[in-house]
Amino acid sequence: KAGVTQTPRYLIKTRGQQVTLSCSPISGHRSVSWYQQTPGQGLQFLFEYFSETQRNKGNFPGRFSGRQFSNSRSEMNVSTLELGDSALYLCASSLTGFEETQYFGPGTRLLVL
Amino acid sequence: GENVEQHPSTLSVQEGDSAVIKCTYSDSASNYFPWYKQELGKRPQLIIDIRSNVGEKKDQRIAVTLNKTAKHFSLHITETQPEDSAVYFCAASGGNQFYFGTGTSLTVIP
Repeated sequence: KAGVTQTPRYLIKTRGQQVTLSCSPISGHRSVSWYQQTPGQGLQFLFEYFSETQRNKGNFPGRFSGRQFSNSRSEMNVSTLELGDSALYLCASSLTGFEETQYFGPGTRLLVL
Repeated sequence: GENVEQHPSTLSVQEGDSAVIKCTYSDSASNYFPWYKQELGKRPQLIIDIRSNVGEKKDQRIAVTLNKTAKHFSLHITETQPEDSAVYFCAASGGNQFYFGTGTSLTVIP
Protein backbone atom coordinates (compact mmCIF):
# COMPACT_ATOMS: atom_id res chain seq x y z
CA LYS A 1 0.00 0.00 0.00
CA ALA A 2 1.11 3.52 -0.64
CA GLY A 3 2.07 5.45 2.46
CA VAL A 4 0.70 8.72 3.79
CA THR A 5 1.46 11.62 1.49
CA GLN A 6 1.43 15.32 2.16
CA THR A 7 1.53 18.28 -0.18
CA PRO A 8 3.20 20.61 -0.54
CA ARG A 9 6.43 19.58 1.14
CA TYR A 10 7.67 23.13 1.62
CA LEU A 11 5.94 26.47 1.86
CA ILE A 12 7.04 30.02 2.45
CA LYS A 13 4.41 32.54 3.44
CA THR A 14 4.32 35.98 4.98
CA ARG A 15 2.56 37.09 8.13
CA GLY A 16 -1.15 37.60 7.71
CA GLN A 17 -1.52 35.19 4.81
CA GLN A 18 -3.37 31.91 5.00
CA VAL A 19 -2.23 28.45 3.97
CA THR A 20 -3.84 25.11 3.16
CA LEU A 21 -2.01 21.83 3.61
CA SER A 22 -3.17 18.50 2.24
CA CYS A 23 -2.86 14.95 3.53
CA SER A 24 -3.75 11.71 1.76
CA PRO A 25 -4.01 8.78 4.17
CA ILE A 26 -3.24 5.16 3.55
CA SER A 27 -6.04 3.51 1.61
CA GLY A 28 -8.69 2.22 4.01
CA HIS A 29 -7.65 4.44 6.89
CA ARG A 30 -10.48 6.61 8.13
CA SER A 31 -8.75 8.53 10.90
CA VAL A 32 -6.45 11.43 10.06
CA SER A 33 -4.65 13.44 12.72
CA TRP A 34 -2.57 16.57 12.42
CA TYR A 35 0.45 17.55 14.50
CA GLN A 36 2.71 20.57 14.72
CA GLN A 37 6.40 19.91 15.33
CA THR A 38 8.73 22.67 16.47
CA PRO A 39 12.12 22.55 18.21
CA GLY A 40 10.74 24.40 21.22
CA GLN A 41 7.36 22.73 21.70
CA GLY A 42 8.00 19.29 20.27
CA LEU A 43 5.11 17.38 18.73
CA GLN A 44 1.70 18.82 19.53
CA PHE A 45 -1.68 17.43 18.57
CA LEU A 46 -3.85 19.75 16.49
CA PHE A 47 -6.96 17.74 15.64
CA GLU A 48 -8.29 14.42 14.45
CA TYR A 49 -10.84 13.72 11.75
CA PHE A 50 -12.85 10.56 11.32
CA SER A 51 -15.54 9.99 8.72
CA GLU A 52 -15.51 13.64 7.68
CA THR A 53 -16.06 14.87 11.25
CA GLN A 54 -13.65 16.52 13.61
CA ARG A 55 -13.64 14.07 16.46
CA ASN A 56 -10.93 15.47 18.71
CA LYS A 57 -9.16 18.79 19.04
CA GLY A 58 -5.97 19.96 20.70
CA ASN A 59 -5.24 23.30 22.30
CA PHE A 60 -4.67 25.48 19.28
CA PRO A 61 -6.43 28.74 18.40
CA GLY A 62 -9.31 28.89 15.97
CA ARG A 63 -6.97 30.08 13.22
CA PHE A 64 -6.15 26.41 12.80
CA SER A 65 -8.92 24.46 11.14
CA GLY A 66 -9.33 21.41 9.02
CA ARG A 67 -11.67 19.18 7.16
CA GLN A 68 -11.89 15.69 5.81
CA PHE A 69 -13.41 14.56 2.56
CA SER A 70 -15.43 11.45 1.78
CA ASN A 71 -12.29 9.71 0.48
CA SER A 72 -10.61 10.39 3.87
CA ARG A 73 -8.20 12.94 2.42
CA SER A 74 -7.78 15.82 4.81
CA GLU A 75 -6.82 19.45 4.59
CA MET A 76 -5.57 21.77 7.26
CA ASN A 77 -5.91 25.53 7.03
CA VAL A 78 -4.11 28.19 8.98
CA SER A 79 -5.41 31.72 8.64
CA THR A 80 -3.72 35.00 9.55
CA LEU A 81 -0.30 33.40 9.77
CA GLU A 82 2.06 34.39 12.57
CA LEU A 83 5.82 33.98 12.76
CA GLY A 84 5.31 31.36 15.46
CA ASP A 85 3.38 29.17 13.04
CA SER A 86 6.65 28.24 11.34
CA ALA A 87 6.90 24.51 11.91
CA LEU A 88 6.79 21.07 10.41
CA TYR A 89 3.17 19.99 10.06
CA LEU A 90 2.70 16.25 10.14
CA CYS A 91 -0.39 14.27 9.44
CA ALA A 92 -0.90 10.67 10.45
CA SER A 93 -3.49 8.12 9.49
CA SER A 94 -4.82 5.02 11.19
CA LEU A 95 -7.66 2.61 10.61
CA THR A 96 -9.99 3.98 13.26
CA GLY A 97 -8.16 6.21 15.74
CA PHE A 98 -5.47 6.92 18.29
CA GLU A 99 -5.33 3.52 19.86
CA GLU A 100 -3.99 1.93 16.72
CA THR A 101 -0.75 2.42 14.89
CA GLN A 102 -0.56 5.86 13.38
CA TYR A 103 1.41 6.16 10.16
CA PHE A 104 2.95 9.54 9.58
CA GLY A 105 3.39 11.45 6.38
CA PRO A 106 6.66 13.20 5.47
CA GLY A 107 5.34 16.54 6.67
CA THR A 108 4.97 20.02 5.23
CA ARG A 109 7.60 22.48 6.36
CA LEU A 110 6.05 25.93 6.67
CA LEU A 111 8.15 29.03 7.02
CA VAL A 112 6.39 32.28 7.88
CA LEU A 113 8.35 35.46 7.18
CA GLY B 1 -5.51 17.13 30.23
CA GLU B 2 -2.71 14.66 29.91
CA ASN B 3 0.90 15.60 30.61
CA VAL B 4 3.69 13.35 29.37
CA GLU B 5 7.20 13.90 30.67
CA GLN B 6 10.18 12.20 29.06
CA HIS B 7 13.73 11.76 30.34
CA PRO B 8 16.51 12.12 29.51
CA SER B 9 16.42 14.69 26.73
CA THR B 10 19.78 13.48 25.38
CA LEU B 11 21.49 10.14 25.79
CA SER B 12 24.83 8.91 24.50
CA VAL B 13 25.82 5.25 24.74
CA GLN B 14 28.62 3.10 23.41
CA GLU B 15 27.71 0.66 20.68
CA GLY B 16 26.59 -2.58 22.25
CA ASP B 17 25.42 -0.99 25.49
CA SER B 18 21.80 -0.65 26.54
CA ALA B 19 19.71 2.53 26.45
CA VAL B 20 16.73 3.30 28.65
CA ILE B 21 14.27 6.14 28.15
CA LYS B 22 11.57 6.87 30.71
CA CYS B 23 8.21 8.59 30.47
CA THR B 24 5.57 9.48 33.01
CA TYR B 25 1.96 10.41 32.36
CA SER B 26 -0.70 12.05 34.47
CA ASP B 27 -4.09 10.91 33.15
CA SER B 28 -5.11 7.56 34.59
CA ALA B 29 -7.54 7.18 31.66
CA SER B 30 -4.62 6.83 29.23
CA ASN B 31 -4.51 3.27 28.00
CA TYR B 32 -2.30 3.19 24.91
CA PHE B 33 1.42 4.00 24.95
CA PRO B 34 3.36 3.94 21.67
CA TRP B 35 7.00 4.80 21.06
CA TYR B 36 8.13 6.52 17.89
CA LYS B 37 11.58 6.85 16.34
CA GLN B 38 12.35 9.86 14.21
CA GLU B 39 15.56 9.98 12.25
CA LEU B 40 16.89 13.32 11.13
CA GLY B 41 14.73 14.77 8.37
CA LYS B 42 12.36 11.83 8.37
CA ARG B 43 8.89 11.10 9.61
CA PRO B 44 8.20 9.49 13.02
CA GLN B 45 7.79 5.73 12.83
CA LEU B 46 6.23 3.44 15.39
CA ILE B 47 8.76 1.04 16.89
CA ILE B 48 6.73 -0.56 19.67
CA ASP B 49 3.56 0.05 21.64
CA ILE B 50 1.91 -1.25 24.78
CA ARG B 51 -1.61 -1.19 26.13
CA SER B 52 -2.64 -0.74 29.72
CA ASN B 53 -3.61 -4.37 30.20
CA VAL B 54 -0.03 -5.49 29.54
CA GLY B 55 3.02 -4.92 31.74
CA GLU B 56 5.79 -5.64 29.29
CA LYS B 57 6.27 -6.19 25.58
CA LYS B 58 9.37 -7.14 23.67
CA ASP B 59 10.35 -7.09 20.01
CA GLN B 60 13.88 -8.31 19.35
CA ARG B 61 16.24 -5.70 20.86
CA ILE B 62 13.45 -3.37 21.93
CA ALA B 63 11.22 -3.71 24.98
CA VAL B 64 8.71 -1.52 26.72
CA THR B 65 7.53 -1.78 30.31
CA LEU B 66 4.48 -0.17 31.84
CA ASN B 67 3.72 0.51 35.49
CA LYS B 68 0.12 1.69 35.67
CA THR B 69 0.20 2.31 39.38
CA ALA B 70 3.15 4.66 39.14
CA LYS B 71 2.00 5.98 35.76
CA HIS B 72 5.29 5.46 34.03
CA PHE B 73 6.56 3.48 31.07
CA SER B 74 10.02 2.90 29.71
CA LEU B 75 11.74 1.98 26.46
CA HIS B 76 14.70 -0.38 26.63
CA ILE B 77 17.04 -0.87 23.69
CA THR B 78 19.67 -3.58 24.12
CA GLU B 79 22.84 -4.15 22.08
CA THR B 80 22.59 -0.68 20.60
CA GLN B 81 23.84 -0.07 17.07
CA PRO B 82 24.78 3.18 15.29
CA GLU B 83 21.55 2.99 13.28
CA ASP B 84 19.62 3.31 16.55
CA SER B 85 20.77 6.95 16.68
CA ALA B 86 17.62 9.07 16.38
CA VAL B 87 15.09 11.01 18.42
CA TYR B 88 12.66 8.82 20.32
CA PHE B 89 9.23 10.01 21.40
CA CYS B 90 6.92 8.37 23.87
CA ALA B 91 3.20 9.09 23.68
CA ALA B 92 0.04 8.46 25.65
CA SER B 93 -3.54 8.29 24.53
CA GLY B 94 -6.81 7.89 26.35
CA GLY B 95 -8.83 8.02 23.16
CA ASN B 96 -9.62 11.72 23.02
CA GLN B 97 -6.18 13.17 22.51
CA PHE B 98 -2.70 12.10 21.72
CA TYR B 99 0.14 13.50 23.78
CA PHE B 100 3.80 13.16 22.91
CA GLY B 101 6.72 13.38 25.25
CA THR B 102 9.39 15.97 24.53
CA GLY B 103 11.74 13.51 22.89
CA THR B 104 15.10 11.89 23.64
CA SER B 105 17.99 12.33 21.27
CA LEU B 106 19.91 9.06 21.35
CA THR B 107 23.45 8.88 20.00
CA VAL B 108 25.16 5.52 19.69
CA ILE B 109 28.92 5.93 19.54
CA PRO B 110 30.69 3.32 17.39
